Amino acid sequence: NAGVTQTPKFRILKIGQSMTLQCTQDMNHNYMYWYRQDPGMGLKLIYYSVGAGITDKGEVPNGYNVSRSTTEDFPLRLELAAPSQTSVYFCASSSPAGVQPQHFGDGTRLSIL
Amino acid sequence: AQKITQTQPGMFVQEKEAVTLDCTYDTSDPSYGLFWYKQPSSGEMIFLIYQGSYDQQNATEGRYSLNFQKARKSANLVISASQLGDSAMYFCAMREQATDKLIFGTGTRLQVFP
Repeated sequence: NAGVTQTPKFRILKIGQSMTLQCTQDMNHNYMYWYRQDPGMGLKLIYYSVGAGITDKGEVPNGYNVSRSTTEDFPLRLELAAPSQTSVYFCASSSPAGVQPQHFGDGTRLSIL
Repeated sequence: AQKITQTQPGMFVQEKEAVTLDCTYDTSDPSYGLFWYKQPSSGEMIFLIYQGSYDQQNATEGRYSLNFQKARKSANLVISASQLGDSAMYFCAMREQATDKLIFGTGTRLQVFP
């Protein structure tokens, strides 16, 4: 059981470039999330989705876009990368409510130079 | 607005001793969930323990227990019999019931020494 899979694990971008961080889960979870973690800090929510075709902004959405065409996939798009987007990005998924925790991917370490 | 506060940036504990990591929260929702996650130096987020706002008893999972004091809005993590492998960052988080979103604290770095 793979859980939540993120690709790539590491990436270096130049300022102004674009890229898509991939996230897929095989647990049939309705809810999916993207977080960023800056050095020495907790996680901040970028975007989330409660089901295919439904997305909403989190705490720090500027500079990012998402889509959710299937239950399994929730890609995060960075347009015009900026140094402030250097961070570790985590994707997570969960079942609605209940006592089940969010399951996290292993993260993508992204550097913008 | 909902908020999680972890006031201990770093903690040290000797192996085999118990340690308490503090977490306070603020919410106006009557229904919420509280989580603790461990993040070792390898970076992954590992779920440790969960406490629901209506749970009457404190949650326990092996060496981890959650000291839940609802009136004081605190949800402290207690690790008993610390091991060297417990050295990591520990995050407290609160879930919004309506959206399942997690709000994280800034974390506490625990170092266990021999």
